[in-house]
Amino acid sequence: DVQMTQSPSNLAASPGESVSINCKASKSISKYLAWYQQKPGKANKLLIYSGSTLQSGTPSRFSGSGSGTDFTLTIRNLEPEDFGLYYCQQHNEYPPTFGAGTKLELK
Amino acid sequence: EVQLVESGGGLVQPGRSLKLSCAASGFTFSNYYMAWVRQAPKKGLEWVATISTSGSRTYYPDSVKGRFTISRDNAKSSLYLQMNSLKSEDTATYYCARNMGIAHYFDYWGQGVMVTVSS
Repeated sequence: DVQMTQSPSNLAASPGESVSINCKASKSISKYLAWYQQKPGKANKLLIYSGSTLQSGTPSRFSGSGSGTDFTLTIRNLEPEDFGLYYCQQHNEYPPTFGAGTKLELK
Repeated sequence: EVQLVESGGGLVQPGRSLKLSCAASGFTFSNYYMAWVRQAPKKGLEWVATISTSGSRTYYPDSVKGRFTISRDNAKSSLYLQMNSLKSEDTATYYCARNMGIAHYFDYWGQGVMVTVSS
């Protein structure tokens, strides 16, 4: 199975700032990485797939980059609704596997 | 609007069985692969099962293979997860999720249902 390592596990930032979350795969997954947002009481939300393709409805302040084994989710000009948990997931092969998550908190 | 609503969770003893259901609406259910993903308390996400549009193909990780069975009823727009021989490590919130095509990622999720395996 492909192991996904996310960093950092916790991140504190203020509205208006930019942050980056990293995800590293244990072997090449080409471009096939997805990013999700998880918030209490809400359904998980797909933000980005195939490394950099924004899901319909994802604000343009979110961007994804990377290929092979190293990927980054960048959120520019943080909004209050962006705070929560973020997970990466490889969708190159079965079984699909997730990172351990990054908690983005208000500073 | 796509909606996925899970039901059937609860407290169950180790070794017993439980069946989860997911009612789908807002899209043509029979056109999509569907999946279950779970999250143990304070832990990350773990994929549990995927089923093809017709139900003829199913996929599982080793952790549940032989114990869990995913199925669907396209006429009822419903997805199911039969869980047998439950273990304490199966304790988790179980999410119903829609696969994006045949790709292995999930574009819509339900809000989840809690399953607790304990004596």
